[in-house]
Amino acid sequence: GIQVEQSPPDLILQEGANSTLRCNFSDSVNNLQWFHQNPWGQLINLFYIPSGTKQNGRLSATTVATERYSLLYISSSQTTDSGVYFCAVERDYNNNDMRFGAGTRLTVKP
Amino acid sequence: DVKVTQSSRYLVKRTGEKVFLECVQDMDHENMFWYRQDPGLGLRLIYFSYDVKMKEKGDIPEGYSVSREKKERFSLILESASTNQTSMYLCASSPPSGNNSPLHFGNGTRLTVT
Repeated sequence: GIQVEQSPPDLILQEGANSTLRCNFSDSVNNLQWFHQNPWGQLINLFYIPSGTKQNGRLSATTVATERYSLLYISSSQTTDSGVYFCAVERDYNNNDMRFGAGTRLTVKP
Repeated sequence: DVKVTQSSRYLVKRTGEKVFLECVQDMDHENMFWYRQDPGLGLRLIYFSYDVKMKEKGDIPEGYSVSREKKERFSLILESASTNQTSMYLCASSPPSGNNSPLHFGNGTRLTVT
């Protein structure tokens, strides 16, 4: 089955800094999503981005499907950005059943 | 806003007990999913359903079963709970796969089996 690798596993930033999180996947995909899990465990969908670039406020994401990677950019980070960021890609079926990477744990210090 | 509600936030059960985890969504989504989350392993798919009474195995279905009698409700069943099933369980729902079909998650149920 498709494999998903995220890097770095951990990231510590000062408030105001920018960061880039990476997601590599082992096969072609038609469905890729980024999620943020806050310190209370709630998972929020950030982007549905099988290809191309999207932006939402200080966050943006780019997926280069032909090269099998996706990047999540966080600009001017805030302490509320802390948590775990997951990348997920669709498994073998066309039913939105996603395989998740192990996540990047981001800590933003004031 | 989509709301996915899991019946319990915390649950403590004894080894060998039958455990039911309930999940309800209010957006008429066709797809529903059960994941478990363990430190260092991310989320792993247990079962999913793309229609009433339909179910498909995910990556780790052993020791679990599911039930989807109504579109809005998807139940995860541990027939005989074991300590290695201590974990965070997350339910999700979505429209059918296609353009812009994000997963929406519940708040999770932290299950401890003693």
